[in-house]
Amino acid sequence: DAKTTQPPSMDCAEGRAANLPCNHSTISGNEYVYWYRQIHSQGPQYIIHGLKNNETNEMASLIITEDRKSSTLILPHATLRDTAVYYCIVRVEGSGGGADGLTFGKGTHLIIQP
Amino acid sequence: DAGVIQSPRHEVTEMGQEVTLRCKPISGHDYLFWYRQTMMRGLELLIYFNNNVPIDDSGMPEDRFSAKMPNASFSTLKIQPSEPRDSAVYFCASSLLARTQYFGPGTRLLVL
Repeated sequence: DAKTTQPPSMDCAEGRAANLPCNHSTISGNEYVYWYRQIHSQGPQYIIHGLKNNETNEMASLIITEDRKSSTLILPHATLRDTAVYYCIVRVEGSGGGADGLTFGKGTHLIIQP
Repeated sequence: DAGVIQSPRHEVTEMGQEVTLRCKPISGHDYLFWYRQTMMRGLELLIYFNNNVPIDDSGMPEDRFSAKMPNASFSTLKIQPSEPRDSAVYFCASSLLARTQYFGPGTRLLVL
């Protein structure tokens, strides 16, 4: 899997949008960008993933640059419960495409301030 | 769906004892993964199965660790004998067709 680079920590005010960046300059054409988060003492939680196009679900939006070398996870209205470590991971998905486990980096510790 | 189920949630044991961690994947999922998380090494993959068959166990630390998946709805990770350095949180995850992985709540293991 390609490596990713994330800032170690970020602060965001409650109610504001939290924008978490991720660099993945060596991403391959068939690798997806995945985001997970881990709230203290819990298992990693899937947030969203995408290949080329921007994606949105009930939790967040994912913006991928046209060259796919970086992406941004957006939590539109951050709450205190969004305080967690956020992991950006790139991987091939699907049977036969590399059914490897996820390679977690250190992630970004997002702290939502009241 | 109940999600991935792990048991026990906490385990405290003494060095030298056998420890067995259990996982029930999401129904219908054909991939099962075991991860370990420590402060020093972060989250790392230990082993994974596809259709109950072990595919890659290169992350298993040593022969004291073993994992089995006797059927599609159950897997175990066994440590025998356990050592204090095995203290960690062990996560199980499952996925369908090697796509999005969903994690269980983890088992927090403390070896004294």
